[in-house]
Amino acid sequence: AQSVTQLDSHVSVSEGTPVLLRCNYSSSYSPSLFWYVQHPNKGLQLLLKYTSAATLVKGINGFEAEFKKSETSFHLTKPSAHMSDAAEYFCVVSGMDSSYKLIFGSGTRLLVRP
Amino acid sequence: DAGVTQSPTHLIKTRGQQVTLRCSPKSGHDTVSWYQQALGQGPQFIFQYYEEEERQRGNFPDRFSGHQFPNYSSELNVNALLLGDSALYLCASSSMGLAAYNEQFFGPGTRLTVL
Repeated sequence: AQSVTQLDSHVSVSEGTPVLLRCNYSSSYSPSLFWYVQHPNKGLQLLLKYTSAATLVKGINGFEAEFKKSETSFHLTKPSAHMSDAAEYFCVVSGMDSSYKLIFGSGTRLLVRP
Repeated sequence: DAGVTQSPTHLIKTRGQQVTLRCSPKSGHDTVSWYQQALGQGPQFIFQYYEEEERQRGNFPDRFSGHQFPNYSSELNVNALLLGDSALYLCASSSMGLAAYNEQFFGPGTRLTVL
């Protein structure tokens, strides 16, 4: 069965400093992995996705993630945090049954200090 | 393109009542999935509809049921509401023809409060 574990429930950074949000996955197959962001009172937005092409995936708003099979990790990074990045971030793996349902991690709340 | 729309935005019900939530998928999408997001948690898959049939179901009781219409819009029904059903209900649309790699587009959700 597929699952994801987000290693930090909260991450706090200063504006202009790097962001690292950690995610480990478990999958019997080569997974499809995603990062979604959820701003308060808004729907989920896809940041980026890994679908077995390049292991370094670039997303929107300067975010990127690297798929590391040997470490079963898919950490999300950004070189310089902006105040508008404060939100809840979800690491997601796609189920391998016919629905390709999304299996979410528990989320990491990113706080950005001025 | 209006994207995925959901109605109502907020809903307050009492225990034992029944509720219907509605979703219109993004233009060109034929598949609708429903997720429940309890406070402070990640969304959990309820079920998915394609070609007006339930294709997959998560670990939710039969009190949760759904429907998909010929225009691909969908309804989520919950009977005999419990306090624990209070959550944000998210609808996501996608295109079945693009297999596992397609993005699921989410609506803003319906916030259900059960008193």
